[in-house]
Amino acid sequence: KQEVTQIPAALSVPEGENLVLNCSFTDSAIYNLQWFRQDPGKGLTSLLLIQSSQREQTSGRLNASLDKSSGRSTLYIAASQPGDSATYLCALLNQAGTALIFGKGTTLSVSS
Amino acid sequence: GAGVSQSPSNKVTEKGKDVELRCDPISGHTALYWYRQRLGQGLEFLIYFQGNSAPDKSGLPSDRFSAERTGESVSTLTIQRTQQEDSAVYLCASSLGVTGELFFGEGSRLTVL
Repeated sequence: KQEVTQIPAALSVPEGENLVLNCSFTDSAIYNLQWFRQDPGKGLTSLLLIQSSQREQTSGRLNASLDKSSGRSTLYIAASQPGDSATYLCALLNQAGTALIFGKGTTLSVSS
Repeated sequence: GAGVSQSPSNKVTEKGKDVELRCDPISGHTALYWYRQRLGQGLEFLIYFQGNSAPDKSGLPSDRFSAERTGESVSTLTIQRTQQEDSAVYLCASSLGVTGELFFGEGSRLTVL
């Protein structure tokens, strides 16, 4: 059974720091992996989608990498801002499945 | 519409009542998902629709939960005889296909008293 783990569960950093959020998974047979952000009381916003054949995707200050062989993905946030404060979720689609499986998220707080 | 639309945004009901939650996916998206998020918890998959194929109901927690979707349009999630443990945010998402990028609605927050 696929398990998705995100460490740390919470992270606090001062504004301007570069940071890395981690996501690990137990079964490498995946179609894709997607990173989302969730603001309190809101739905999820898609940040980046990485197909299984890709190694990374970039959008602005965000860069996500995927290493299927080691069962890991990282989300790199450059020059963090208070507006980046949110919960970041990774989710992946198993080759044998029909729906994304989510980690429990990392709650990020960026102080000014 | 421009995004996934869900209604109602908030619903307070009494234990034992039935509730219906509605999801209007992005136009053209063939795949539609329902997830549940309890307070402080991760997202829990409930049900998945893809075009006219039989839905994947493997995540529904009990037979009190059911969902319908007509073609590639609106979906309704029905919870019968609600219990306090059903209190959660119910999130709907849609995508162009099973491997496409997933777009979520704002959710329907259900509170069962």
